[in-house]
Amino acid sequence: EVQLVESGGGSVQPGGSLRLSCAASGFTFSDYYMDWVRQAPGKGLEWVGRTRNRANSYTTEYAAPVKGRFTISRGDSQNSLYLQMNSLKTEDTAVYYCTRSITTTTRGIGYWGQGTLVTVSS
Amino acid sequence: QSVLTQPPSASGTPGQSVTISCSGVSSNIGSYTVNWYQQLPGTAPKLLIYSNDQRPSGVPDRFSGSKSGTSASLAISGLQSEDEADYYCAAWDDSLNGRMFGGGTKLTVL
Repeated sequence: EVQLVESGGGSVQPGGSLRLSCAASGFTFSDYYMDWVRQAPGKGLEWVGRTRNRANSYTTEYAAPVKGRFTISRGDSQNSLYLQMNSLKTEDTAVYYCTRSITTTTRGIGYWGQGTLVTVSS
Repeated sequence: QSVLTQPPSASGTPGQSVTISCSGVSSNIGSYTVNWYQQLPGTAPKLLIYSNDQRPSGVPDRFSGSKSGTSASLAISGLQSEDEADYYCAAWDDSLNGRMFGGGTKLTVL
């Protein structure tokens, strides 16, 4: 069974940093694309970025609002996905979801974690 | 303002059918497959339809998807109270080089 468990959320002041983690299990982690998606309170879903699989050299892509501030990385030996968030702004307040692609070749989002809340406020 | 356009709300009575639209352009829906997600209140989203019209195992066949040109649709037949949720479409966008979501449609079962 695919399981994705996020951790690391919390409250931080504007300009601060936070690192989210996602523990993955139930599949061969290195074979799949992994994305981060966020949802501001009462709002819709917003894609944050993704990391490709090992076959595609783990390259990353980011949404414009977070490019240059957020970094996605993965530790395949620990079956973990990470999101390093720097220079946080109040508009980054959201629930952050760790997700996995549908299959190794169908790259849309197929599985979601339960989410972790990040609050950026002074 | 979302790149993919969905109606903010939809409604129907139990047993009825409802359709939710998702409109894009050539760089997203026109070039890539569409996925649909259901988000029940207070929970994480769940994959409902992938590759335009494919249902993951466990999703009832009351849910169906279609795509034509730069638009996609999610159809729900035999509405049930437990279908009351937010529904989102999603597709990759070449111009923006990112995954785009629709703004979401809140489905109310009257």
